[in-house]
Amino acid sequence: QSVLTQPPSASGAPGLTVTISCSGSISNLGSNVVYWYQQLPATAPSLLIYRNNQRPSGVPDRFSGSKSGTTASLAISGLRSEDEADYYCAGWDDSLRGWVFGGGTKLTVL
Amino acid sequence: DVQLLESGGGLVQPGGSLRLSCAASRFTFSSCAMAWVRQAPGRGLEWVSSISNSGGNTYYADSVKGRFTISRDNSKNTLYLQMNSLRADDTAIYFCAKEHYFESWGQGTLVTVSS
Repeated sequence: QSVLTQPPSASGAPGLTVTISCSGSISNLGSNVVYWYQQLPATAPSLLIYRNNQRPSGVPDRFSGSKSGTTASLAISGLRSEDEADYYCAGWDDSLRGWVFGGGTKLTVL
Repeated sequence: DVQLLESGGGLVQPGGSLRLSCAASRFTFSSCAMAWVRQAPGRGLEWVSSISNSGGNTYYADSVKGRFTISRDNSKNTLYLQMNSLRADDTAIYFCAKEHYFESWGQGTLVTVSS
């Protein structure tokens, strides 16, 4: 059972928009910023969004993040087949004094 | 581009020990916090441990506290994870990552704990 809660799967047709949620609590997302990672099949994860809504250089603006209270969201617009991957949210937890991850969401592009 | 190369993984018996290394290059290693994150087969990501840039501050997940020790040698641009009293549920790919928030990741090294 992960501290941050994500839906196990999400899907969307090419060109459309999909949103992945990440639910936490006051001690993590309610007090600290959220990060998102993309893990393509058989590869290491990579940073996708940092500090709630910032994109590292090289990440397309089709990817966007937001946070409100204890819930964060990752939106992927203009879905492409290469977006098929596992997506994870993460943040620092003040009570646990450690980093916590969501369980991951497997995105399928139909 | 940042390069992180893990090594030291392998097969070890329950109760055994292993030391992982992560060789860093193409960035100022001594200025950056570092971390270890693991992924059990077919499972999600789990933070293991973090260390400040100087090595003066370390942090551990409850699941490894007292058994694992993170350290670094800034003169060698290398991060370490000493793993003792290994258990079957420590079986995972271990990734090293740059910065507390895992800005860049290595390709990982597989640790298998089995008799």
